[in-house]
Amino acid sequence: NAGVTQTPKFQVLKTGQSMTLQCAQDMNHEYMSWYRQDPGMGLRLIHYSVGAGITDQGEVPNGYNVSRSTTEDFPLRLLSAAPSQTSVYFCASSIGGGTEAFFGQGTRLTVV
Amino acid sequence: DQQVKQNSPSLSVQEGRISILNCDYTNSMFDYFLWYKKYPAEGPTFLISISSIKDKNEDGRFTVFLNKSAKHLSLHIVPSQPGDSAVYFCAARGDGSARQLTFGSGTQLTVLP
Repeated sequence: NAGVTQTPKFQVLKTGQSMTLQCAQDMNHEYMSWYRQDPGMGLRLIHYSVGAGITDQGEVPNGYNVSRSTTEDFPLRLLSAAPSQTSVYFCASSIGGGTEAFFGQGTRLTVV
Repeated sequence: DQQVKQNSPSLSVQEGRISILNCDYTNSMFDYFLWYKKYPAEGPTFLISISSIKDKNEDGRFTVFLNKSAKHLSLHIVPSQPGDSAVYFCAARGDGSARQLTFGSGTQLTVLP
């Protein structure tokens, strides 16, 4: 049972570089989301998707892009990395919005 | 403006005693609340939840209490075990069309042997 798989686990980027954080789930969940975790801030919602082809912005969407071409995959793209995007990123999936969410192991991103 | 607040960043408890983790919220439209546990280098895992139509939900050693008038919920762990040492997040479900979750900042629980 893979659940939610995120890659990579660690990444160091230079300011201005772009990259894609991968997220895949094998539970056939319609709802997927991306969060970032920062000290003292908890988990903040970046983008979410209620199904293939449908995405929307969360609380902190600036500097990030998402797409949802399949039910399984929900990649997060950093368009031009900034030091403020240094964080731990979590992908989650659930049957529906606001229900029990299953999280991936996280990606620790450092932007220098 | 944080809609879900966990005002205690950390809590230490002796093994076998009760751990009480608190969470306050400001949005009266939240209708479902969840607690997640997170170990270092892992993603959060779901622990227990409660609907706004209830005031208590119990699952083994874990009980969540909801006081709607005070906009306050708490997680009780009895008895506490060293393996319970983790960061605990409370989350609340909003009334928007996508019903997304809003998380608190977390409380680091340390259970001392």
